[in-house]
Amino acid sequence: EVQLVESGGGLVQPGRSLKLSCAASGFTFSNYGMHWIRQAPTKGLEWVASISPSGGSTYYRDSVKGRFTISRDNAKSTLYLQMDSLRSEDTATYYCANTFGYSGVFDYWGQGVMVTVSS
Amino acid sequence: DVQMTQSPSYLAASPGESVSISCKASKSISNNLAWYQEKPGKANKLLIHSGSTLQSGTPSRFSGSGSGTDFTLTIRSLEFEDFAVYYCQQYNEYPYTFGAGTKLELK
Repeated sequence: EVQLVESGGGLVQPGRSLKLSCAASGFTFSNYGMHWIRQAPTKGLEWVASISPSGGSTYYRDSVKGRFTISRDNAKSTLYLQMDSLRSEDTATYYCANTFGYSGVFDYWGQGVMVTVSS
Repeated sequence: DVQMTQSPSYLAASPGESVSISCKASKSISNNLAWYQEKPGKANKLLIHSGSTLQSGTPSRFSGSGSGTDFTLTIRSLEFEDFAVYYCQQYNEYPYTFGAGTKLELK
């Protein structure tokens, strides 16, 4: 059974940093592209970042480029999202998702972790 | 960015009925469109990809159609478990974008 479990969320002040993790199990992690998607309160879904199976390619939405870093540790089957210079508009539930190979189809999703950016 | 316009935002129906949800892209996305189901307390579920290909495990009462800019999700003979929120998503180009969602409610 595929499981994706996010952690690391919480309340953080504007301008500070937070690092999210996504622990994966039930599939061969190194064969899957991985993604972060977020949903602000009462808003729709918004893709944030993607990483290729090897970690050699990464993509970001413009609003997080230069502030967020997606990475992965295939030996630990874990995906990360380092979030720096956080803004109030980054407040959202963050989901990780996987893709067999490397496409933009989100095969399986985690249940999400909440990040609140507020003073 | 490719804008995804989903309609209706809300849809009320009864078990046994059939419903359709529309998703329109602001430019051609070929057939690079997926549909997801969101239910409270559960992880989002991929239903359909490539516009019309059912993901393994998706019941056959779900179907997807369309290509280019116009897409439709149809659910025939609604069952109680189908009442949820549905999202379309394009993956033809970055940034990947979603429709605003359609909440399917019990009439």
